[in-house]
Amino acid sequence: EPEVTQTPSHQVTQMGQEVILRCVPISNHLYFYWYRQILGQKVEFLVSFYNNEISEKSEIFDDQFSVERPDGSNFTLKIRSTKLEDSAMYFCASILNPGDANTGELFFGEGSRLTVL
Amino acid sequence: GNSVTQMEGPVTLSEEAFLTINCTYTATGYPSLFWYVQYPGEGLQLLLKATKADDKGSNKGFEATYRKETTSFHLEKGSVQVSDSAVYFCALIDPPSGGSYIPTFGRGTSLIVHP
Repeated sequence: EPEVTQTPSHQVTQMGQEVILRCVPISNHLYFYWYRQILGQKVEFLVSFYNNEISEKSEIFDDQFSVERPDGSNFTLKIRSTKLEDSAMYFCASILNPGDANTGELFFGEGSRLTVL
Repeated sequence: GNSVTQMEGPVTLSEEAFLTINCTYTATGYPSLFWYVQYPGEGLQLLLKATKADDKGSNKGFEATYRKETTSFHLEKGSVQVSDSAVYFCALIDPPSGGSYIPTFGRGTSLIVHP
């Protein structure tokens, strides 16, 4: 069964360091998401990506964040200068087409836990 | 804006007990409603859904009914098993006319089932 994979599963970094979280969406999917969940809080939308550009983004997704699809398979989230409050679980998801979101059939990775010290 | 509120966990039950996990929502449009489940070490996966008022979504013995009058979508199961231990997320999405393809999630409710 096709699946979304994320690496690393857990990363510990020092405040101010750059972090790149990687996702490999399902191969024929075209629409991608990043969400995050700070411990004990809601799963929050960060950004969606379609046709090699950002489709939608939340207020959380400020200039410290960027996304890229560098090679047609990976989908990365970069945090330029991490802060303590960036500590969270980051989830990647993909769907075949944007309209498929209405079916709820998002395919999620198992998440990357980021700990900023 | 849209939001989803779930009961706090963890919910701890004995095997064969009845489960209810409460979920209420606010939405600007007429949303579709979903429950996702995340088993340990795995990603979130869709468990069930309902797209209009009074619809009942069901899967794997779990059920949830779309209640527009109370803006709720509570998850229920008559007899839980140890294998149901997981984190359950309530979510919604507004229809395309709302212009968004972004599901809104709750915080998740951890369920622990003891033998």
